[in-house]
Amino acid sequence: DGGITQSPKYLFRKEGQNVTLSCEQNLNHDAMYWYRQDPGQGLRLIYYSQIVNDFQKGDIAEGYSVSREKKESFPLTVTSAQKNPTAFYLCASSFSTGGLYEQYFGPGTRLTVT
Amino acid sequence: KQEVTQIPAALSVPEGENLVLNCSFTDSAIYNLQWFRQDPGKGLTSLLLIQSSQREQTSGRLNASLDKSSGRSTLYIAASQPGDSATYLCAVRGVGGDAGGTSYGKLTFGQGTILTVHP
Repeated sequence: DGGITQSPKYLFRKEGQNVTLSCEQNLNHDAMYWYRQDPGQGLRLIYYSQIVNDFQKGDIAEGYSVSREKKESFPLTVTSAQKNPTAFYLCASSFSTGGLYEQYFGPGTRLTVT
Repeated sequence: KQEVTQIPAALSVPEGENLVLNCSFTDSAIYNLQWFRQDPGKGLTSLLLIQSSQREQTSGRLNASLDKSSGRSTLYIAASQPGDSATYLCAVRGVGGDAGGTSYGKLTFGQGTILTVHP
């Protein structure tokens, strides 16, 4: 079955620690995205990548870093510089050519930092 | 900068009712609009995608319309069921460049409508 997997589903970290969230897709999509969802704020774009070895900052990139070494994988690192890291993180992917660009989402990772 | 607003923020209806969820956007220069469903603690499920050149899309009991010139979309749910209870989000994709803060490939989301269908 094609889809997007995110792991782990729940993640707990102490303040000051970096943490990496995993995102893998087998949809053969070129583009991948990371969003953050907070209650009452909707989804906000953190980073996106339209091709391997290239990525761009979204609206709230400060305190986050990403890599795109493989087409299937787009891990997100939440660094200790992120002031309010506790949130629900969603990974998504889409084709970046061909016209439709329908975006598909993974199941999400809930990160709690104490 | 593109802004997306969804009204109402929450809606509670009895089973069997037909209902309409509204989405408005400030910049009519969009490439497409996508409606999603999100269950509590889960990811987003794509329901319908409407290209800017289209007026509506249908999938089963769902019908989405788009009036790009007025910056509006509606999601119509026919014969609602308790299983339809979820948060519904709309999102618009810009046509390109960073003008207005919406780059090609990026989605701008509304804050969602929380739908409860009670038996």
